[in-house]
Amino acid sequence: DAMVIQNPRYQVTQFGKPVTLSCSQTLNHNVMYWYQQKSSQAPKLLFHYYDKDFNNEADTPDNFQSRRPNTSFCFLDIRSPGLGDAAMYLCATSSDGGAFHEQFFGPGTRLTVL
Amino acid sequence: AQSVTQLGSHVSVSEGALVLLRCNYSSSVPPYLFWYVQYPNQGLQLLLKYTSAATLVKGINGFEAEFKKSETSFHLTKPSAHMSDAAEYFCAVSASDGQNFVFGPGTRLSVLP
Repeated sequence: DAMVIQNPRYQVTQFGKPVTLSCSQTLNHNVMYWYQQKSSQAPKLLFHYYDKDFNNEADTPDNFQSRRPNTSFCFLDIRSPGLGDAAMYLCATSSDGGAFHEQFFGPGTRLTVL
Repeated sequence: AQSVTQLGSHVSVSEGALVLLRCNYSSSVPPYLFWYVQYPNQGLQLLLKYTSAATLVKGINGFEAEFKKSETSFHLTKPSAHMSDAAEYFCAVSASDGQNFVFGPGTRLSVLP
């Protein structure tokens, strides 16, 4: 089945230690998104790639970076995680040529910062 | 710009009872509207979507929603709640060109035996 995969599902890092979260997709979608979701809150869009074009949300901290080496993979890098960065990180994809811009979500990576 | 409000951060129903989760939107252009469900420690799954076709939209797991332009609403309903419906539900809106996709704050549904 076509899907969005996130690894790892659970990630523990130390305060200030860089961490990378991974997302891959078999849907061949040209748009990939990263969301941050804190407990009992809605997902908050951090940034997205439209093909190779990177689009950063205005309020996304500089501590968060992203890379998309090819259509299938996208990475979220947190350069110096703080305690406030502990959250669920969700990757999603959509196809601008597909039906109505529906977003398909991965299972998420839960990040713990010690 | 688009925005979404969901009345009631937490809704409890008895098993077998009607489920009604409220969503109101604001949009300066014709909207696309979505309902997503999120089970604990999982990603979001699309339940249904409105994209300017039929105003009554049927989705998975017995859910449906009706787009009412005059009320700027897109409420989610299910005739009979099941224990497995307990989850977080998010309404979302985007412009018809896919821009400005915005989630509502979510409603946690509890189903009581």
